[in-house]
Amino acid sequence: EDQVTQSPEALRLQEGESSSLNCSYTVSGLRGLFWYRQDPGKGPEFLFTLYSAGEEKEKERLKATLTKKESFLHITAPKPEDSATYLCAAGSGGSYIPTFGRGTSLIVHP
Amino acid sequence: DGGITQSPKYLFRKEGQNVTLSCEQNLNHDAMYWYRQDPGQGLRLIYYSQIVNDFQKGDIAEGYSVSREKKESFPLTVTSAQKNPTAFYLCASSSGFNQPQHFGDGTRLSIL
Repeated sequence: EDQVTQSPEALRLQEGESSSLNCSYTVSGLRGLFWYRQDPGKGPEFLFTLYSAGEEKEKERLKATLTKKESFLHITAPKPEDSATYLCAAGSGGSYIPTFGRGTSLIVHP
Repeated sequence: DGGITQSPKYLFRKEGQNVTLSCEQNLNHDAMYWYRQDPGQGLRLIYYSQIVNDFQKGDIAEGYSVSREKKESFPLTVTSAQKNPTAFYLCASSSGFNQPQHFGDGTRLSIL
């Protein structure tokens, strides 16, 4: 059974305090690792797709990296507007539908 | 702008009533999905569809029904058989399976 685990469940940072969110996955043949951002009362917004170990993608203060067992979302010098829930999902060769983690709720204090 | 439109934003259901949530996309995507989101539980798949007139049950299909008569539309009906329907419902689409999904802004369903 495909599994995706995100940690921590919640993270509080001061503005400018860099940190990383973790997404550990166990799937049969990774077909893509997806990161999303979700604001309260809104649908998730797609951020990145990673396909192979060693791949990295960047967007503003966010950088996603991938190994054979986990993905990290690094947040550099975060701002209050980066506060949101970050979701990851792993697509596998054994399922048509990506498996979602439960998310990490990030709060950045000014 | 291309995107996914869900309506209504808020919906209230009376005891014994069926309600239908609308989902329309203009992204020309083949695959569409319905998820339920409860606090602390992440996204749970209700139904998905790869092509018109075909759809498959997800992990929590009991008490729900769907149709896919047009590529652009994938409505979800919450039937009276769903005993705990209060949740945030999200519709998504993608160009194919295991591709990035694009989500609507959800419908919040509550019980009167």
